[in-house]
Amino acid sequence: DVKVTQSSRYLVKRTGEKVFLECVQDMDHENMFWYRQDPGLGLRLIYFSYDVKMKEKGDIPEGYSVSREKKERFSLILESASTNQTSMYLCASSQGYTGELFFGEGSRLTVL
Amino acid sequence: DAKTTQPPSMDCAEGRAANLPCNHSTISGNEYVYWYRQIHSQGPQYIIHGLKNNETNEMASLIITEDRKSSTLILPHATLRDTAVYYCIVSDRSYKYIFGTGTRLKVLA
Repeated sequence: DVKVTQSSRYLVKRTGEKVFLECVQDMDHENMFWYRQDPGLGLRLIYFSYDVKMKEKGDIPEGYSVSREKKERFSLILESASTNQTSMYLCASSQGYTGELFFGEGSRLTVL
Repeated sequence: DAKTTQPPSMDCAEGRAANLPCNHSTISGNEYVYWYRQIHSQGPQYIIHGLKNNETNEMASLIITEDRKSSTLILPHATLRDTAVYYCIVSDRSYKYIFGTGTRLKVLA
């Protein structure tokens, strides 16, 4: 069974802390994505990666960075967390241009 | 990418067919129609996609109008577990998906 695993389901961090959200997929997919989901706003794309060490900005990249050192792993980094980054973060992977997205369970981050 | 319009909410009786509409009047020739759903507190789940022809799989059927300006997702025998938010997306690239606010389907016992 295909799987996208996010490292933490729930996190609570302080303003200014550095936060790492990890995502691993076991499907050998080329593409990986990070979204955030907020009530009334749907899912918004933060960053995506179409290959190892490659990354592209999505619609809302400000305040975030990413790392993809290995094909199966895609990390989202909040260099200095702020309260407006409190959200549900969803990782996904896909293969090819039009492949379906496989999502993880999500990581709910609260920044105090 | 083409935008989609979906009703914010719908109810369906358990065991009946749920028909979820989606308008995408600005869809271009190479854009696919995708449907995903999100059950509370989980990540979205792929349901089905199509380009021009109607499609069916074990979960649902997708009916696309001949002019491709609208589509309908059909859950043939809705169960309580189908209660979820359903997203209709049109795109020619997975990294250009726009998830709107979708349709909140409530299946009633």
